[in-house]
Amino acid sequence: AAGVIQSPRHLIKEKRETATLKCYPIPRHDTVYWYQQGPGQDPQFLISFYEKMQSDKGSIPDRFSAQQFSDYHSELNMSSLELGDSALYFCASSQITEAFFGQGTRLTVV
Amino acid sequence: AQSVTQPDIHITVSEGASLELRCNYSYGATPYLFWYVQSPGQGLQLLLKYFSGDTLVQGIKGFEAEFKRSQSSFNLRKPSVHWSDAAEYFCAVGLNQAGTALIFGKGTTLSVSS
Repeated sequence: AAGVIQSPRHLIKEKRETATLKCYPIPRHDTVYWYQQGPGQDPQFLISFYEKMQSDKGSIPDRFSAQQFSDYHSELNMSSLELGDSALYFCASSQITEAFFGQGTRLTVV
Repeated sequence: AQSVTQPDIHITVSEGASLELRCNYSYGATPYLFWYVQSPGQGLQLLLKYFSGDTLVQGIKGFEAEFKRSQSSFNLRKPSVHWSDAAEYFCAVGLNQAGTALIFGKGTTLSVSS
């Protein structure tokens, strides 16, 4: 069965650089979520989209933005990266609340 | 505000012994409840979920969980733990609304001793 695809799997960036993470949800899923998980932490909700419209917003910094495109894939754009942004970024997609998570993108800011 | 509490940060269980991981939630409405498992550096895998109906739900890998409304709990159990069960376990709650996010507990790390 198709799963949530995230790319890249690993990313290394320098401070103050920008990064773009991509998420391809499971076909026919109508909702996409982005989560940030720091080392040893629980996943923190960043933002979600329902039918390509932003539906919920969590602890997403102003330096970050996200959007969902017509083909339902989503991108998380991160600017002015800081060391503290180093984390595992998960995308999840869902239909009727049950969320399926991708393998995540590990971002390391040096 | 809604929240999820997993009181145990770290639990060690002997292989073959039974397991119970605790989860308590605070929610204004009837929640949707989930347990996810995460191996190091990996994504989150859904073990089981409760939406309505029978309060004892069966999941994958021999796990089960019981929803107790009176105690606001959704504890995860397994009768006999295997070494491969060592991982991080997250309890989560969600609303019955499209697009609203899951809220996770802080997680419980399970170690299995031989």
